[in-house]
Amino acid sequence: AQSVTQLDSHVSVSEGTPVLLRCNYSSSYSPSLFWYVQHPNKGLQLLLKYTSAATLVKGINGFEAEFKKSETSFHLTKPSAHMSDAAEYFCVVSDLRAGGSYIPTFGRGTSLIVHP
Amino acid sequence: DTEVTQTPKHLVMGMTNKKSLKCEQHMGHRAMYWYKQKAKKPPELMFVYSYEKLSINESVPSRFSPECPNSSLLNLHLHALQPEDSALYLCASSREGGWDQPQHFGDGTRLSIL
Repeated sequence: AQSVTQLDSHVSVSEGTPVLLRCNYSSSYSPSLFWYVQHPNKGLQLLLKYTSAATLVKGINGFEAEFKKSETSFHLTKPSAHMSDAAEYFCVVSDLRAGGSYIPTFGRGTSLIVHP
Repeated sequence: DTEVTQTPKHLVMGMTNKKSLKCEQHMGHRAMYWYKQKAKKPPELMFVYSYEKLSINESVPSRFSPECPNSSLLNLHLHALQPEDSALYLCASSREGGWDQPQHFGDGTRLSIL
């Protein structure tokens, strides 16, 4: 089974400073990895995905992530935080189940706090 | 605006009531999902429908009964729920449920059991 570990439950930054949200994965095959964001009382929104093409993936709202196979990592970054980035972020890996279904496996989530 | 629409947005029900949650998408997606999410936790998968057939049931209690009437609609029928069932219920869809396909989520139904 695949799994993801989000190393930080909370990350606190000041507006205008860089953001780093860390994610490590374990996978017995080439993984498909995603980052989603969830604002309060909202559903999850896809930020970006990696599916074995370019290792540096650009997403929406200035976010990007780099797939590093040697480190089994897929960290999410943004050069400059905005107040509107304050939300919960989930790293997700596709897990193959018996019967051939692919099911998302979620990390525990990282709460991003942005100070003015 | 989300492309997956869930109704109602909020629902309060007693433990003896019967109610239903509804989810609709018009993106032509053939895989649809129900999740339960407690506060400050990731979503927990409940059910997966693939081409309108139930493909995964994550050992969900029978008081939750899913239904997929057609490729655009997904329902979750609720009966005799317990207080611990209070949560945000999220619906999602993906093109075909493949390994590289992201999910599109609705904004959820906030369910409170009295």
